[in-house]
Amino acid sequence: QQQVKQSPQSLIVQKGGISIINCAYENTAFDYFPWYQQFPGKGPALLIAIRPDVSEKKEGRFTISFNKSAKQFSLHIMDSQPGDSATYFCAASEGPSGSARQLTFGSGTQLTVLP
Amino acid sequence: EADIYQTPRYLVIGTGKKITLECSQTMGHDKMYWYQQDPGMELHLIHYSYGVNSTEKGDLSSESTVSRIRTEHFPLTLESARPSHTSQYLCASSEIGQAETQYFGPGTRLLVL
Repeated sequence: QQQVKQSPQSLIVQKGGISIINCAYENTAFDYFPWYQQFPGKGPALLIAIRPDVSEKKEGRFTISFNKSAKQFSLHIMDSQPGDSATYFCAASEGPSGSARQLTFGSGTQLTVLP
Repeated sequence: EADIYQTPRYLVIGTGKKITLECSQTMGHDKMYWYQQDPGMELHLIHYSYGVNSTEKGDLSSESTVSRIRTEHFPLTLESARPSHTSQYLCASSEIGQAETQYFGPGTRLLVL
C-alpha cells in the first residue's frame, strides 16, 4: 500500500516555465515532508522540506505548498531551467523524535526542462 | 556534497554468486540505510541500522543481509544472487534525531545474469 502518492509520473516544461509536482498522503501522523532531487547516476539529495505548522516554504526558485486539511503538498519550481531536469521524490515521516523516524517516499516524477 | 561512498558502482555477475556491496560514510552518522530502487522508480527501504551492532529489516522484504561492526561501514551481502536481485542499491546515512535528512551515496547498479 503506497502511503505517499505522487503525480505526475513525468513532466515536460519549457525553460522559464513553472513545474508543479503533487503529493498526497493518508497517514495524518506524518509531520515532516521533504523533497529529494535525484540526477541520473547519483543518489537523491535533500532539496527542501516543510513541517505542517506552515503552509508554504520558499527557498530560491523552489517552493513547497502544504494543505493539511486536504493532506496534500506540492513542489513548485519557478523559472524552470534545463539544469533542473531530474527525478523528484516527495517523502513523509512520522514518529517520535530521534532514531525511530524513517522516510516513506513517493514514486518519483521525472522532470524534463526543454531549452 | 555528502561524504558517503559506495563500491562498486556497477556490478555484473552470474546467478548463484555471493556478493557484498560496500557503503562507507565519514560523517560519523549513527543511522544508516539501504534502499532498493528500480530505475526511475520509488525507493524501498530494505535494511537500516541505529548504530554499531544494530540492524533492522525495512519495509521491503529482501534476501540480503547487512552488518554494522563499525560506525562508518554498512555492507550489504547477497549469499546467492538471482536475476530478481537486479536493481540499484542506494546507501544513506543520517544523524540520530535528524533521521529525515538522509545523505545518499551514488548507488550500486547490480545486474545478475
